Parts: sequence; C-alpha cells; structure tokens
Amino acid sequence: DAGVTQSPTHLIKTRGQQVTLRCSPKSGHDTVSWYQQALGQGPQFIFQYYEEEERQRGNFPDRFSGHQFPNYSSELNVNALLLGDSALYLCASSGPGQPNEKLFFGSGTQLSVL
Amino acid sequence: SQQGEEDPQALSIQEGENATMNCSYKTSINNLQWYRQNSGRGLVHLILIRSNEREKHSGRLRVTLDTSKKSSSLLITASRAADTASYFCATLFTDSWGKLQFGAGTQVVVTP
Repeated sequence: DAGVTQSPTHLIKTRGQQVTLRCSPKSGHDTVSWYQQALGQGPQFIFQYYEEEERQRGNFPDRFSGHQFPNYSSELNVNALLLGDSALYLCASSGPGQPNEKLFFGSGTQLSVL
Repeated sequence: SQQGEEDPQALSIQEGENATMNCSYKTSINNLQWYRQNSGRGLVHLILIRSNEREKHSGRLRVTLDTSKKSSSLLITASRAADTASYFCATLFTDSWGKLQFGAGTQVVVTP
C-alpha cells in the first residue's frame, strides 16, 4: 500500500514563474492538506481539500491555489513566485471522518526560487 | 499566534536517557498531536490526545495534556540514536476546524 506520494521531489524556478506541485493521497484517504515548511521552522498550513473543494485556508495570498480531483489527488499551484516561496512543500492526507487526525505526510517537494 | 510553541528548541541527550519536551498553546483545542520529522522530510504521526484526555501512552512515548495550563508534554523513555529527529506538536483549535497548526519544533539529538 503506497503512502502519500509527491512530485517532483525537487524543483528550481526563477522569480515570477509559476509552479505546480502534485500529491497522491494514501489509499482510502479523501482529505488532502498542504503545508509550507521553511528551513528550521514548523509546517505552515496552506489549505485543505475535501470533496474537490477548499475547506479551510491558512494565511497565504491568492497566489497560492489548489485543486482536488475526483480520485482525491491534489495539486498546489503558486503563481508569480517570490524568493520567499523557497521552502519544503508537504502534502498530507487523512481518512474518512477523521480529516484532522493522524495525518500521513509525503516526503515533500523542495522548491528553490532563484 | 495561535500555534503551539515547543520548549526547548533543542535537546541533546545520551542513549538510555529520557527526553521531555513541552508544548504550550493559547486557545481552546479539540485535540493535540505530536509528529516526528527526520532530516527535513515527511512528518510521521506519533500520538494524538483529545481535549478530554489527560494522559496517553504508546510504546516508549507518554503524552500528557493540561488544558487548564494550555500545555502538553511528550516524554520519550530510554532514548535511542534512532530517536534523533525534530518533534512537533500540532494543535486543532476548536474555532478553526480543519487547520491543524504546527509549532516550530524541538530538535532532539541522541548520542550513542
């Protein structure tokens, strides 16, 4: 049983560009949450998706957007990249009826903005 | 900030010793969870304690929750070198359902 998978593992972009990160949740999970983790910091909540809709959103600008597909996989899009967007982006999934308990995390996408 | 705050920021111990780290928060919670992260990669869920619980155990882990003091502690007994990692508390606040928020973490180093 595959856990949470994220792609790509590493990405280098330049300021102003756009990026799309992808996540496949653990089998049987229907809720996907995205986090941004700067070096030496804890993960910061970006948003959570359930039934293809954004349920909750953290304090991130509209440049950050997402999508969830019918198969529960998800994408995170970031437009107009800034140097400060350089971070590890983590996807987490959780099971039916327990969207905020025992999150399973992927290994993350390391984004570097030059 | 509503986020939990861990204390200490870093902890260095020898194998066999116990490691204790604390988490404080500011508003009412639904549950509090602890996660471990090795080498800046994915986080692994360790244990969850609900607001109506005071103590939980899982293997060598013991978690306590004091809602009156808005604090929690994680105890790792008989530490091993493999316990070297960053440990984060994550809080689900009652007024922000869906936002599981993480603190800055405690970096634990266990030396053989």
